[in-house]
Amino acid sequence: AQSVTQLGSHVSVSEGALVLLRCNYSSSVPPYLFWYVQYPNQGLQLLLKYTTGATLVKGINGFEAEFKKSETSFHLTKPSAHMSDAAEYFCAVTSLGDTGRRALTFGSGTRLQVQP
Amino acid sequence: SAVISQKPSRDICQRGTSLTIQCQVDSQVTMMFWYRQQPGQSLTLIATANQGSEATYESGFVIDKFPISRPNLTFSTLTVSNMSPEDSSIYLCSVSGTMGGTQYFGPGTRLLVL
Repeated sequence: AQSVTQLGSHVSVSEGALVLLRCNYSSSVPPYLFWYVQYPNQGLQLLLKYTTGATLVKGINGFEAEFKKSETSFHLTKPSAHMSDAAEYFCAVTSLGDTGRRALTFGSGTRLQVQP
Repeated sequence: SAVISQKPSRDICQRGTSLTIQCQVDSQVTMMFWYRQQPGQSLTLIATANQGSEATYESGFVIDKFPISRPNLTFSTLTVSNMSPEDSSIYLCSVSGTMGGTQYFGPGTRLLVL
């Protein structure tokens, strides 16, 4: 079975400060990992993904995430927060099942607030 | 990435009625999925919509309550049947080239059941 834990349902940072959103996963086989962002009253937009290869992946809007197998983590970071980054962020995982790759499993989400 | 549209974008319905949500993609895709996002919650997979055959439902979701059609590789519908206030949620369609691959989401349908 696969699972995702996002630590912190709400994170508040000041504009210009570092953004760190935490994601830990559980998977008995190599995972594929994703971060999605959901702005108010909108659907989900893909920020970035890790499948294989380089463990530091860069996404849109200046976000990046690092896959750390030893820590089973895929934390999302951005060096300098903008007001427009305020949204809900979801980490998701897929891994191999008996019949191939499973559908995505989502974490509970982290709401990011950016203070002026 | 594919452009995905959903109709309606939102609706207010009376309990006991049914609503059919449409998902249209601008290109042929292998996988189509339906998710539910209850207020303040994460996404829960309802089912995988299979082209030309019955959908594959996740635990806790049944065909009688959430019948799904997928007549071709660009279109799917989800019906929420015999609605109750507990069905008030956002319903999202997503598509992928492969099972377990990157999924792209539609804008969602916001449903309120009174």
